[in-house]
Amino acid sequence: AQSVTQLGSHVSVSEGALVLLRCNYSSSVPPYLFWYVQYPNQGLQLLLKYTSAATLVKGINGFEAEFKKSETSFHLTKPSAHMSDAAEYFCAVSPPGGANNLFFGTGTRLTVIP
Amino acid sequence: DAGVIQSPRHEVTEMGQEVTLRCKPISGHDYLFWYRQTMMRGLELLIYFNNNVPIDDSGMPEDRFSAKMPNASFSTLKIQPSEPRDSAVYFCASSLWGQVVFFGSGTQLSVL
Repeated sequence: AQSVTQLGSHVSVSEGALVLLRCNYSSSVPPYLFWYVQYPNQGLQLLLKYTSAATLVKGINGFEAEFKKSETSFHLTKPSAHMSDAAEYFCAVSPPGGANNLFFGTGTRLTVIP
Repeated sequence: DAGVIQSPRHEVTEMGQEVTLRCKPISGHDYLFWYRQTMMRGLELLIYFNNNVPIDDSGMPEDRFSAKMPNASFSTLKIQPSEPRDSAVYFCASSLWGQVVFFGSGTQLSVL
């Protein structure tokens, strides 16, 4: 079975500061991992995905995440926060080979302080 | 491509009424998913289809919920009768070969 845990339901950073959103996964097999972003009143948009290739994955809007098997983590980072990054971020896991069964974390709401 | 299209965007109804949510997946996608999002339970997968065939409906809360996919370009999620606890945002999503899942903008359902 797969699951993800997102540490911190709310994260606040100053504009220009480092963004770090934490995600730990549990999986009996090597998983696929995803980060999605949800802006208010919108659906989820894929930021990036890990599918067993390079462990450092670059996504849209300057975000990246590193798959660390030893730590069962897939934390999302961005060097410099922008006001437009304020949103809710979801980590998700699926079995390898497909996203038929995406299991989402509970989400982390990012606030960017001017 | 227009993306996954859901209708209506908002639905307000009274307890006991039938509610039908509609979804048009991205053209060519062979997987379609229905998710529900609430504050209490987060994002839950209700059911998904592959090539119009329901594959896993274990997330459907109870018999009041039903989903159909009569063709590759259309799906419905029906709640009959609706209850206040069904109030949530319902997302439809689609993917190709079960890879990246693309979400619609959701239907905000309020059952009074």
